[in-house]
Amino acid sequence: GAGVSQTPSNKVTEKGKYVELRCDPISGHTALYWYRQSLGQGPEFLIYFQGTGAADDSGLPNDRFFAVRPEGSVSTLKIQRTERGDSAVYLCASSLTNDYGYTFGSGTRLTVV
Amino acid sequence: GQQLNQSPQSMFIQEGEDVSMNCTSSSIFNTWLWYKQDPGEGPVLLIALYKAGELTSNGRLTAQFGITRKDSFLNISASIPSDVGIYFCAGQLPNTGNQFYFGTGTSLTVIP
Repeated sequence: GAGVSQTPSNKVTEKGKYVELRCDPISGHTALYWYRQSLGQGPEFLIYFQGTGAADDSGLPNDRFFAVRPEGSVSTLKIQRTERGDSAVYLCASSLTNDYGYTFGSGTRLTVV
Repeated sequence: GQQLNQSPQSMFIQEGEDVSMNCTSSSIFNTWLWYKQDPGEGPVLLIALYKAGELTSNGRLTAQFGITRKDSFLNISASIPSDVGIYFCAGQLPNTGNQFYFGTGTSLTVIP
């Protein structure tokens, strides 16, 4: 597509529930990133994919967070047993390999109540 | 995580004025990026800096990679209303792949 697409744009879930957030990167971009942005803060790195594999998942806060990219294109960020502290905007970005000018999507605003 | 101190936290300026903001860190960075974020949108890349001392312009925007590699600044000349938004710096540490650390942002308001 023309840009990075994230769905849903908003998600409200109850504490303890499981959620999936989807990212469609720019066609042909092999690198994909997930960031999390809390209110009033800058984005924080979660995980980076190069192709199908997670090249760096050091930013995932704990084992409730998991992300996949099975075919090297669409990625899904999965959060188990959600907590109120998980509420944030989850941003996805993609780039051509070794291109630092990666393009962000508009994000998914997750609210855990 | 890494602390990138961005200042000022917010700015209110008259249209036509020049703007300057900066970002500092206790760590040395290989790359500095500057992004602008509008409400409800993801950050948009403005300028990328790849070596110490580099000065790069993009229209009315100019950014520099500090000589010490621990800081960067962004200048906006002759501000216009559409410059309103939150500006973020982001830095990449050596040997950390494509992970970037973001500052806390500078909120810019331009008064027509």
